[in-house]
Amino acid sequence: QKEVEQNSGPLSVPEGAIASLNCTYSDRVSQSFFWYRQYSGKSPELIMSIYSNGDKEDGRFTAQLNKASQYVSLLIRDSQPSDSATYLCAVKTDNYGQNFVFGPGTRLSVLP
Amino acid sequence: EAGVTQSPTHLIKTRGQQATLRCSPISGHTSVYWYQQALGLGLQFLLWYDEGEERNRGNFPPRFSGRQFPNYSSELNVNALELEDSALYLCASSHGTATYNEQFFGPGTRLTVL
Repeated sequence: QKEVEQNSGPLSVPEGAIASLNCTYSDRVSQSFFWYRQYSGKSPELIMSIYSNGDKEDGRFTAQLNKASQYVSLLIRDSQPSDSATYLCAVKTDNYGQNFVFGPGTRLSVLP
Repeated sequence: EAGVTQSPTHLIKTRGQQATLRCSPISGHTSVYWYQQALGLGLQFLLWYDEGEERNRGNFPPRFSGRQFPNYSSELNVNALELEDSALYLCASSHGTATYNEQFFGPGTRLTVL
């Protein structure tokens, strides 16, 4: 089992819809979870961090964490074409020697 | 507050040459991470430095090496360049290794090996 898994996509949603991006992780003792957005040819940009079970909202973005299910998600409300990018899930763990472990990313396409 | 900076932006080398990439972390950050991202692929962990020491390295050959300086800046050296080393090399920094510290990326260095 890979440490952090995401659907590779592409996930296509119409403009104005809610985009739902999912991530699962294998290390039960992970404490910190992050979502990054990466436009093609650019570096990843931190969108959200979440540390406690439940929801965390920031503008159009909501991160959801369920540690019992080892699952973290990102919802993007009122999706815009400018949201089209690859979204990377990252988990902070002490168990793999890397400190941060990134998933492969989900490519999101928002259709006008 | 200035972000993570990397130099050069682009680097073109030929097979067998050496490349040196540089990174300056956000002020106050002591941890520096290096990643390789080949075109269309995910982030591959290369190296992690904290407080001047190498904490871990990814599954890369020894010709990938680096160091962290007393001011916490870092450089990545790639010896005996191969065509498949062509990639975007990303540096990231965080404020130490505590649980809730976030990681921020620099703009990257695009290395092309001809």
